[in-house]
Amino acid sequence: SQTIHQWPATLVQPVGSPLSLECTVEGTSNPNLYWYRQAAGRGLQLLFYSVGIGQISSEVPQNLSASRPQDRQFILSSKKLLLSDSGFYLCAWVAGANVLTFGAGSRLTVL
Amino acid sequence: GIQVEQSPPDLILQEGANSTLRCNFSDSVNNLQWFHQNPWGQLINLFYIPSGTKQNGRLSATTVATERYSLLYISSSQTTDSGVYFCAVVPMDSSYKLIFGSGTRLLVRP
Repeated sequence: SQTIHQWPATLVQPVGSPLSLECTVEGTSNPNLYWYRQAAGRGLQLLFYSVGIGQISSEVPQNLSASRPQDRQFILSSKKLLLSDSGFYLCAWVAGANVLTFGAGSRLTVL
Repeated sequence: GIQVEQSPPDLILQEGANSTLRCNFSDSVNNLQWFHQNPWGQLINLFYIPSGTKQNGRLSATTVATERYSLLYISSSQTTDSGVYFCAVVPMDSSYKLIFGSGTRLLVRP
């Protein structure tokens, strides 16, 4: 079966510290992968998407970057976190059915 | 870029009531999906419905692509239906980017 794993589930980081959120997908190959961010009480903002290894498209210029070192691995990073980076980060994937499936999310608080 | 507007922004229902949520989009799309986000943050796909009508239990959805809107119907609502409902679309000029509306927050009271 196809599953998506995202970690860590929650983290609290000081301003200026680095960030690494990881997402892996099982049971499929060559998926489209996505990172979304949800600020408290608001909708989902598309941050990055990837259609293949090493192929990253950025939707919003900001303090974050993404990488896809393997077919089913998608990483969200920052070298120095800002207060405004706080939020709920969601990884998602799309396979042949064109249906978007989300991971459980990572809740980041920057203090 | 494409605009996706959902209404109403907030909705309170008594258990057993019916409701209709609306999603308007400003340009042609080739993909439209409805999601439910539960109070713990998990997003679940409800419907993939770029056009036509689908039903799944107490939920049904209709998309009229030529008029650029979609409706989500919830019948005989239950407290477990509470959460946020999102509409998301893929614009015609992009095969990969799913753009979300701002959501409808639903509270079903017992």
